[in-house]
Order: sequence, then C-alpha cells, then structure tokens
Amino acid sequence: QVQLVQSGAEVKKPGASVKVSCKASGYTFTSYDINWVRQATGQGLEWLGWMNPNTGNTGYAQKFQGRITMTRDTSINTAYMELSSLTSEDTAVYYCAQNWPLTGDFDHWGQGTLVTVSS
Amino acid sequence: QAVLTQPSSLSASPGASASLTCTLRSGVNVGTYNIYWFQQKPGSPPRYLLRYKSASDKRQGSGVPSRFSGSKDASANAGILLISGLQSEDEADYYCMLWHSNTWVFGGGTKLAVL
Repeated sequence: QVQLVQSGAEVKKPGASVKVSCKASGYTFTSYDINWVRQATGQGLEWLGWMNPNTGNTGYAQKFQGRITMTRDTSINTAYMELSSLTSEDTAVYYCAQNWPLTGDFDHWGQGTLVTVSS
Repeated sequence: QAVLTQPSSLSASPGASASLTCTLRSGVNVGTYNIYWFQQKPGSPPRYLLRYKSASDKRQGSGVPSRFSGSKDASANAGILLISGLQSEDEADYYCMLWHSNTWVFGGGTKLAVL
C-alpha cells in the first residue's frame, strides 16, 4: 500500500532553515508528483509547492518564492522540502501529498511534521 | 477577496443531508474548474474525497462512500459537496481546492457538526 512517512518534529530559531523529508513506498516514486501543504494550529490548509520526482521540476507558491526548495533522492524514494529564513509565522504542521501529475487528486498524505519556530 | 470562500461552520442532524458550499470569487468561473474536496479530522492529515468538474467528469476517492458527492451551482458560482445520510463520523473539517494562477488554492474550510 502507498505510504508517505515524514521526518520528525523540529524546533528552530527565527532565521534558521528547516528540511523536512517524505519517504515514499508502495508505488513508483517517479510516476507521481509530490506536493507540500502546511497548516498552522487551528487554521486552514496552505499550499507551498509541487515537485515532479522524475524530472526534478518544481513549482512554488509565490508567497514562498526565494526561500523554499524542493528536492528529491530517487535512490531512496524520498522527497525533501527546505524552508529558510524562518519566522514564528512558519510554525505549522507540514504535510507531503502524492498526486498524479497535473491533477489535484492528492490521494495519499504523509502523517505531517510539526515545525516550531521559537526563540 | 479570497479565491474560494467557505462558510466557517455548518450543523446537521444524523441521517439528514448536508450541502457544503465553496464559492468562487467573481470573475473565476466555476464551470471551467475541477473542484476538489478533502475531509480532515482532528490530529489527522486531510483525506481526499472527490473531484468534480461536471456530471461526466468527476472522480471519487478510493474507499469514499457514494453518499459523498459533488456538484456545482452555476448561478451561485459555487462548488458543492453533498453528504447524504449523515453519520457521526462525518463530523470533520471540509476543504475545497482548485488550481488557479499556477497555484493550488484552498478554501478556508467548513467545520461540520453532526448533532
């Protein structure tokens, strides 16, 4: 069965960077896109961007342009999302989600990674 | 003005039907979009429910009961998630989503209470 397993919770200082991983199993990693979505406590869902693990192509939400990077390591079926210049407003649960390219069919989600930004 | 607007809360009785709306901003025509719906329960990631573009172009998520269905109200410029035969387990937050200006955009979510 399809599984997306994310790395553990992180605590970062303002101005630091965080890198969250998302390890895929149960399907061909390079056949589906990976999207990243975050959710602050008690708030709604916010899309950060997408990556095609086959080509490495990415697309980022304008809000995060310049401080977000999505990469992958196809040898271990793992996608990464790195966010830099963190502020308290980046405190949220970050999710990866798998979808068929060019669709919003986010069929499978990771369990989420809590990133806390605090001095 | 947000691209997608959802009522913040809705309540309905067990066994009844609930119609959750997702209103598109003026100038963003619902007829041209796939509208996606997700369900989220506390402490869990979102769950994909369905995609709806038209009666002939839609997709149900794997394992999602048929009592969850999508539609559109062109006059209101809105996507609709209809849940029939409400059960206590349907109590959750529901989000709509679409692709607009090279961005996946989520609505603010509707908290559905089954009372």
